[in-house]
Amino acid sequence: QKEVEQNSGPLSVPEGAIASLNCTYSDRVSQSFFWYRQYSGKSPELIMSIYSNGDKEDGRFTAQLNKASQYVSLLIRDSQPSDSATYLCAVRKAAGNKLTFGGGTRVLVKP
Amino acid sequence: GAVVSQHPSRVICKSGTSVKIECRSLDFQATTMFWYRQFPKKSLMLMATSNEGSKATYEQGVEKDKFLINHASLTLSTLTVTSAHPEDSSFYICSASESGRSYEQYFGPGTRLTVT
Repeated sequence: QKEVEQNSGPLSVPEGAIASLNCTYSDRVSQSFFWYRQYSGKSPELIMSIYSNGDKEDGRFTAQLNKASQYVSLLIRDSQPSDSATYLCAVRKAAGNKLTFGGGTRVLVKP
Repeated sequence: GAVVSQHPSRVICKSGTSVKIECRSLDFQATTMFWYRQFPKKSLMLMATSNEGSKATYEQGVEKDKFLINHASLTLSTLTVTSAHPEDSSFYICSASESGRSYEQYFGPGTRLTVT
């Protein structure tokens, strides 16, 4: 079992709809969770961080964390073609500050 | 804030030569920097973690003598790929983390290395 798992996609979403991305992790002691967006040929860009159970909203993005079920999700509201990218879920364990990345979910927003 | 730069952005070198890649945090002090490599359509693979003023910690399977990392100051870390071979061709990305910022990592723009 991979430490951080994501559906590779592609997740095809019509423009204006909500894109829903999921991520599960195996280590129950994980403490911090991050979502990065990566455009093709570019480096990852941090879009959300979440540390406690519940929802966290930032603009069109909402991150949801459920530590009991060991999953974290990202919702993108009013999806735009510019949101087409690969979204990486990253998890930090309690000790140290290394991040473990999932394989990423490719999102395609169609006009 | 939280800007990380990398230089060069793209480099082509001949097999057997060495290449140095620089990673700089421009507007914060990076107590920890990380080096990743990424193959096409694959996720990031952590190579090593470097803390300012101390030796880097390499991940299992990463040759420390081949990938030399130096973190001489709070704003600069370098990765030197020694005796490069075509299989070292990859996208190398650094990230930096500032103490007290909840362990968020900010990535540089990456360096695409091609070894001919």
